Amino acid sequence: GAVVSQHPSRVICKSGTSVKIECRSLDFQATTMFWYRQFPKQSLMLMATSNEGSKATYEQGVEKDKFLINHASLTLSTLTVTSAHPEDSSFYICSARWGFSYNEQFFGPGTRLTVL
Amino acid sequence: GQQLNQSPQSMFIQEGEDVSMNCTSSSIFNTWLWYKQDPGEGPVLLIALYKAGELTSNGRLTAQFGITRKDSFLNISASIPSDVGIYFCAGQMASGSRLTFGEGTQLTVNP
Repeated sequence: GAVVSQHPSRVICKSGTSVKIECRSLDFQATTMFWYRQFPKQSLMLMATSNEGSKATYEQGVEKDKFLINHASLTLSTLTVTSAHPEDSSFYICSARWGFSYNEQFFGPGTRLTVL
Repeated sequence: GQQLNQSPQSMFIQEGEDVSMNCTSSSIFNTWLWYKQDPGEGPVLLIALYKAGELTSNGRLTAQFGITRKDSFLNISASIPSDVGIYFCAGQMASGSRLTFGEGTQLTVNP
């Protein structure tokens, strides 16, 4: 149980284009989903917290107009990197939690984004 | 923001050896989680700890929630090559709050 999937697993795009990454909880309903960014040999950096049916809460320094997050259902959240630039190249990982007071987060397999 | 100090940063051991890593914080956490991340993959939850002093095992892995609630350790006994990866601790200060991650421990196991 507690499986989280991400799609795509790897994407290469041209600078200036937008990329959408999907995060799905496969066997549970996720009231909260989180989006992280990870650079090589570094820890996970929280970008935003997304509660189903409401606007995402972004961490300080994360541009909400550049990283659009939608959490329209209890099993799906999407992250759209708008007008991507090479510096947006990174490993993006989502996680999901099935209740506000439930502490364990389950992570997706990650999406490797490369912007040329 | 909150920081977790995780050590060691890296370890190189022989197959069969035991491993220990730990995380410390200046703040109190009410939940400690330990994850393992393989290259190109997302972190996988290994052990969750919810109570100060709690000692929990998962196969060859054992983790403890420190009495002061400011630290936790993870032990791996009789290491095997598939234990290779990055181990992260994560703490949570209150129910529903965000996770704070340590910097990770890169484990290499030589056959």
